[in-house]
Amino acid sequence: KQEVTQIPAALSVPEGENLVLNCSFTDSAIYNLQWFRQDPGKGLTSLLLIQSSQREQTSGRLNASLDKSSGRSTLYIAASQPGDSATYLCAVFDNYGQNFVFGPGTRLSVLP
Amino acid sequence: DGGITQSPKYLFRKEGQNVTLSCEQNLNHDAMYWYRQDPGQGLRLIYYSQIVNDFQKGDIAEGYSVSREKKESFPLTVTSAQKNPTAFYLCASSIDNFGVGRPSGNTIYFGEGSWLTVV
Repeated sequence: KQEVTQIPAALSVPEGENLVLNCSFTDSAIYNLQWFRQDPGKGLTSLLLIQSSQREQTSGRLNASLDKSSGRSTLYIAASQPGDSATYLCAVFDNYGQNFVFGPGTRLSVLP
Repeated sequence: DGGITQSPKYLFRKEGQNVTLSCEQNLNHDAMYWYRQDPGQGLRLIYYSQIVNDFQKGDIAEGYSVSREKKESFPLTVTSAQKNPTAFYLCASSIDNFGVGRPSGNTIYFGEGSWLTVV
């Protein structure tokens, strides 16, 4: 059964720092991987979608990479801002279960 | 504007009572999902539907029921059999490009969520 983990569980950084969030999955048979942002008490907003054949995707200050063979993805946030404070979740679309499997998230705090 | 609407935002359930959470989407998506989120945990799949009049159990379906009579609507009923229903419930949808029974894994869109509390 596919399992997704995220490290660290929480992260606090000063404004302006570059940072990396990690996502690991146990089964490399995935269709795609997505990174989401969740603000407190809100739904999830999709940030980046990486298909299994791709290595990375970029959107503004965000860059997500995918190493399917090792079961890892990273989300790089450049020049962090207080508005980036939120929980970031990754999810894989599992080929066998044919459904999305979510990690528990990393809670990010960017201090002004 | 296109999107997913969940209602109510906050709901209180008494012991032994069934309650229904509404989810409506105007994105013309074939697939719809219900997830449960507990503090500090990832999302857990309750039920999903890939086409009208068809739905499948997820990982934690016990104590829940759904229907999919219309493409745009996927209500979730939390029954009295669900012994620990207090949680944040999220409805989601995605395009299914591969036809009946084969989800495509495209981007998944979420509603704003509903908080359910047992009183």
